[in-house]
Amino acid sequence: EAGVTQFPSHSVIEKGQTVTLRCDPISGHDNLYWYRRVMGKEIKFLLHFVKESKQDESGMPNNRFLAERTGGTYSTLKVQPAELEDSGVYFCASSYGQKGKSPLHFGNGTRLTVT
Amino acid sequence: GQQLNQSPQSMFIQEGEDVSMNCTSSSIFNTWLWYKQDPGEGPVLLIALYKAGELTSNGRLTAQFGITRKDSFLNISASIPSDVGIYFCAGILTGGGNKLTFGTGTQLKVEL
Repeated sequence: EAGVTQFPSHSVIEKGQTVTLRCDPISGHDNLYWYRRVMGKEIKFLLHFVKESKQDESGMPNNRFLAERTGGTYSTLKVQPAELEDSGVYFCASSYGQKGKSPLHFGNGTRLTVT
Repeated sequence: GQQLNQSPQSMFIQEGEDVSMNCTSSSIFNTWLWYKQDPGEGPVLLIALYKAGELTSNGRLTAQFGITRKDSFLNISASIPSDVGIYFCAGILTGGGNKLTFGTGTQLKVEL
């Protein structure tokens, strides 16, 4: 079974530019999550999709961040325009069930550096 | 937002030693999880705890869900070089679905 795949693995952009991150969850997983770890700090929740619907987007920092999951398969997270504080590692995770006992499978993350 | 205080922040130990780390919170969690992250990879689930007082082992790893539901610890016995990495605790609040609140991580380094 293929794991959660994220692309790109690294991205270096200048402040003000746009970046789009992609996540392919494990096939059949309805739940898809985005998390972010800023240098040295905890991994923080951004949002949760159930199929194509946003279940919880309470962790999205501001309106420069836009997440989509058209068709309920892969998801994209766009940052526009990027700011310096957006630098960090963005993780995607997916799970099968709707309750807490369905483990999250994480991708390897996209390391975003905004200069 | 909710906060998990994880300690220690980093540890540098000798191979063969036992390791202990813990997480505490002012909030009550109904699930505690421990993850390990290797360089360049995402967090991988080590142990999941679902009941207060639960003590669970996975090989050389043992974790417990605190009775108060506000804390958890992870022990690693007889550490080996491949134990190197960042360990994160994570909790799920009651009614939180699968939304994880993570600790700040413990960086473990093992000296041969």
